[in-house]
Amino acid sequence: DVKVTQSSRYLVKRTGEKVFLECVQDMDHENMFWYRQDPGLGLRLIYFSYDVKMKEKGDIPEGYSVSREKKERFSLILESASTNQTSMYLCASSLERGSLQTQYFGPGTRLLVL
Amino acid sequence: KQEVTQIPAALSVPEGENLVLNCSFTDSAIYNLQWFRQDPGKGLTSLLLIQSSQREQTSGRLNASLDKSSGRSTLYIAASQPGDSATYLCAVLTDSWGKLQFGAGTQVVVTP
Repeated sequence: DVKVTQSSRYLVKRTGEKVFLECVQDMDHENMFWYRQDPGLGLRLIYFSYDVKMKEKGDIPEGYSVSREKKERFSLILESASTNQTSMYLCASSLERGSLQTQYFGPGTRLLVL
Repeated sequence: KQEVTQIPAALSVPEGENLVLNCSFTDSAIYNLQWFRQDPGKGLTSLLLIQSSQREQTSGRLNASLDKSSGRSTLYIAASQPGDSATYLCAVLTDSWGKLQFGAGTQVVVTP
């Protein structure tokens, strides 16, 4: 079974803090994704990566950056956390590209910024 | 820009009834359409994937149809059970790199 793990289930941070969210997958997947999920808005793509050291912006990259130094690990960084970044953050990975691609999700990190 | 809509946002049915969940999308240029299940406070689990050239997919009590020309998909869950209570999300794959566009989900409650 594919396993995608996220470093924290719940996180409370203060405005202005630098926040790191870690995601690790154990199936040698090429592609990794970061989403945020807000009530009524569904999941929105923040960043994705299709290879080590490669990254692409998603639909809402402002206020975030990412790092992928190793294939299995994809980190989301909030450079200076703000209250509007309070959300559920979900990481996902996938192996294929094209029409057979499906994504495997981690359990999520619920972030509260005070 | 692709928009994915799921109506209704929530529904409640008695155990044993069939569930019908709807998903619509605005741009028919998709690679595939996927249905996911999300339990409260948890990540997403893939249920069914329909490639753009297919009309439907089935897995056990679940059946999903795809009408690309009209921009619609329907997820049928036969003989619902309390364990089917969850939020169901549909998503369309908009490019080969993996950009999924999600609907906001339908929250389902199956009462015993």
